[in-house]
Amino acid sequence: EAGVAQSPRYKIIEKRQSVAFWCNPISGHATLYWYQQILGQGPKLLIQFQNNGVVDDSQLPKDRFSAERLKGVDSTLKIQPAKLEDSAVYLCASSLFPRSYEQYFGPGTRLTVT
Amino acid sequence: QKEVEQDPGPLSVPEGAIVSLNCTYSNSAFQYFMWYRQYSRKGPELLMYTYSSGNKEDGRFTAQVDKSSKYISLFIRDSQPSDSATYLCAMTNTGGFKTIFGAGTRLFVKA
Repeated sequence: EAGVAQSPRYKIIEKRQSVAFWCNPISGHATLYWYQQILGQGPKLLIQFQNNGVVDDSQLPKDRFSAERLKGVDSTLKIQPAKLEDSAVYLCASSLFPRSYEQYFGPGTRLTVT
Repeated sequence: QKEVEQDPGPLSVPEGAIVSLNCTYSNSAFQYFMWYRQYSRKGPELLMYTYSSGNKEDGRFTAQVDKSSKYISLFIRDSQPSDSATYLCAMTNTGGFKTIFGAGTRLFVKA
């Protein structure tokens, strides 16, 4: 079974530029999550989709971050404009929720904002 | 007070030791508990998952949940250098719409 795929793996941008990340979840997983992991910290949930609907985006900085999941499969997370404090690893995860709660993670995208 | 507290370590042990990793939480709405292992520059990998108080064993790993104390543990028996990683606890509320991770404990197992 293929795992969660993410691209790109690394991205370096200057502040005020925009960036987009892509995620393809495990086949059949209805729920998709985007997390932000700052160095030395645990992942922080940004947004949770169930199929193509948003179920929790309470910690998403909506003035600069946006996410979509068209057709309930792939998802993109965008940052515009980026700030220095957005430097982090952006992790995508998927799960069979509500059938189960286990989340499976992709390798992440390491973003550096200079 | 953070919702989930986890000692960041680092924790250094000799090969073969029993390792105990712990998290405490404050919100009794958390009902589902997970432990993840994260190697450097990799995504978290699910190790253990449980939703009831008591112990759950899988090979060298045992997850323990005490809901009355709001305390969860992960034990690693016969630790190996390949176990050197960051261990993250995570928990989800009853509705499954809120997942919180601990900060992670860095573990080093010396050969």
